[in-house]
Amino acid sequence: GAVVSQHPSWVICKSGTSVKIECRSLDFQATTMFWYRQFPKQSLMLMATSNEGSKATYEQGVEKDKFLINHASLTLSTLTVTSAHPEDSSFYICSARQGAGWSEAFFGQGTRLTVV
Amino acid sequence: TQLLEQSPQFLSIQEGENLTVYCNSSSVFSSLQWYRQEPGEGPVLLVTVVTGGEVKKLKRLTFQFGDARKDSSLHITAAQPGDTGLYLCAGAKHGQNFVFGPGTRLSVLP
Repeated sequence: GAVVSQHPSWVICKSGTSVKIECRSLDFQATTMFWYRQFPKQSLMLMATSNEGSKATYEQGVEKDKFLINHASLTLSTLTVTSAHPEDSSFYICSARQGAGWSEAFFGQGTRLTVV
Repeated sequence: TQLLEQSPQFLSIQEGENLTVYCNSSSVFSSLQWYRQEPGEGPVLLVTVVTGGEVKKLKRLTFQFGDARKDSSLHITAAQPGDTGLYLCAGAKHGQNFVFGPGTRLSVLP
């Protein structure tokens, strides 16, 4: 399968600072990328969907000004958690899809964010 | 309210046993996927089913999509410790993104 790489794998930051997480499709062009959040022992919750060159579509309840998503190229999307607080601590996972609809989406390895 | 329900929530079995986990919904899906996720890793796709009644086998794993395309099951034969993980189902309606179920956490003891 195709490879999606997330960076960093884990990050610890101070409350009030911003953190950027990168999601790269290494061997294919991703027309759509998805960002998920996963709390311990829970399932994945979709935060937003981004298509290259356009604004991300956020799910209900997700603050777009707090979770900034940029999908500037077909191989890179970034999620910036602004003014992070301890309650933002979570496992953030991206996935990337080459085609539309039912085509397979490949997941990154996730980023563990801890805000202290 | 969860669009997809998974059962059981937790399952702990001995190596060599068989097991079945379920994914249920009141909605009809165009496509349904099963993933396995290990701690600290992203989910890995196991299978995609799109046809009602479809059965797919992947070594010791057998996946079935319900006739009405509202439910699915995953059966593991002779479970091994390497099967331990969180099993997630995800369903998509036509033209929409996949939605994940809450998952079944499987622990296979040696």
